[in-house]
Amino acid sequence: KQEVTQIPAALSVPEGENLVLNCSFTDSAIYNLQWFRQDPGKGLTSLLLIQSSQREQTSGRLNASLDKSSGRSTLYIAASQPGDSATYLCAVTNDYKLSFGAGTTVTVRA
Amino acid sequence: DVKVTQSSRYLVKRTGEKVFLECVQDMDHENMFWYRQDPGLGLRLIYFSYDVKMKEKGDIPEGYSVSREKKERFSLILESASTNQTSMYLCASSLLLQHTDTQYFGPGTRLTVL
Repeated sequence: KQEVTQIPAALSVPEGENLVLNCSFTDSAIYNLQWFRQDPGKGLTSLLLIQSSQREQTSGRLNASLDKSSGRSTLYIAASQPGDSATYLCAVTNDYKLSFGAGTTVTVRA
Repeated sequence: DVKVTQSSRYLVKRTGEKVFLECVQDMDHENMFWYRQDPGLGLRLIYFSYDVKMKEKGDIPEGYSVSREKKERFSLILESASTNQTSMYLCASSLLLQHTDTQYFGPGTRLTVL
């Protein structure tokens, strides 16, 4: 059974600092890994999807890396802004099924 | 843009009541999913459907059933609500079941069972 862990559970940084969010998974036989953002009381928005054959994906200030063999992914958010405050969830796909981590709640202080 | 809507944002029910949560997607997606989200546990898959009238159990189907009579609509049913079903319920849809496809999520329904 796939287990996905995100550490830390919460993070508070001053505006402008770079954010580093970690995700680890136990079964490396994944097809892809996704990072989602969730605002309070809202659904999930997909940020980045990395296929198992890829090492990283970038979108604007966001960069996600994947090391499938070691079961790790890292989401980097450059020059954080208060609008980046949200919960970030990592999910891996085995066949059709997504397995989620519990998320990291980020607060960016102005 | 894909739009996934859920019938209620907040719902309060009593123990033993039958509860219906509705989800509608407007992009002709084949697949629809129901998750529940609890603090510290992440999202867990309850049921999914890959076609009209077809359904598959997820990780935690006990106490739930689903119905998919039309392609765009997927209902989650709590036959007899219990307090341990108090949670945030999220619906999602995807075009394909293939592993390259992303899921699009609705805003969620926060259900409280008293």
